[in-house]
Amino acid sequence: AQSVTQLDSQVPVFEEAPVELRCNYSSSVSVYLFWYVQYPNQGLQLLLKYLSGSTLVKGINGFEAEFNKSQTSFHLRKPSVHISDTAEYFCAVTVGYNFNKFYFGSGTKLNVKP
Amino acid sequence: DGGITQSPKYLFRKEGQNVTLSCEQNLNHDAMYWYRQDPGQGLRLIYYSQIVNDFQKGDIAEGYSVSREKKESFPLTVTSAQKNPTAFYLCASREITGRSNTGELFFGEGSRLTVL
Repeated sequence: AQSVTQLDSQVPVFEEAPVELRCNYSSSVSVYLFWYVQYPNQGLQLLLKYLSGSTLVKGINGFEAEFNKSQTSFHLRKPSVHISDTAEYFCAVTVGYNFNKFYFGSGTKLNVKP
Repeated sequence: DGGITQSPKYLFRKEGQNVTLSCEQNLNHDAMYWYRQDPGQGLRLIYYSQIVNDFQKGDIAEGYSVSREKKESFPLTVTSAQKNPTAFYLCASREITGRSNTGELFFGEGSRLTVL
């Protein structure tokens, strides 16, 4: 079975600083990768996704992620964070065209301080 | 606006009672999912359905039941057999056919169940 590891459960960062949230998945062919954001007591909202093509993916709110097949990673980055980016971020992986089963990481709480 | 509506947002129940969480979508998606979220554990799949009148167990189906009588509706019942039902429950959907299949899940706002 596929597994997804988010190495940091919490990431504190000051406003306007860069941030990287790490995500690694277990090796497999034909993986499709997603990053979601969750604000308190709300559902998950898609930030970005990698299905194919360019390994550098740009998403909403200035976030981007890079798919690295050799390192089985899909780290999320933002060059300058805002207070409003404080939320929990989830990496997700699905395998195969049918996308039947999504595997989620345990989440990373990003805390942006003024 | 198209989306997924979950109700109620907050629910309190006594131990031993069955509760049903509602999930309705107007996105015309074929597939619907129920996830359970606990702090520090990410999302775990309870049940999913790809077509009306058919559904499959996920990783933690014990103590839960679902039905899919209509394409837009996928209610989840938390039964008294679920040993630790207090959690945040998320309903999701996605399109699975042809060009409309963009891959991602679309989520509702969630329902927080507290068993007293």
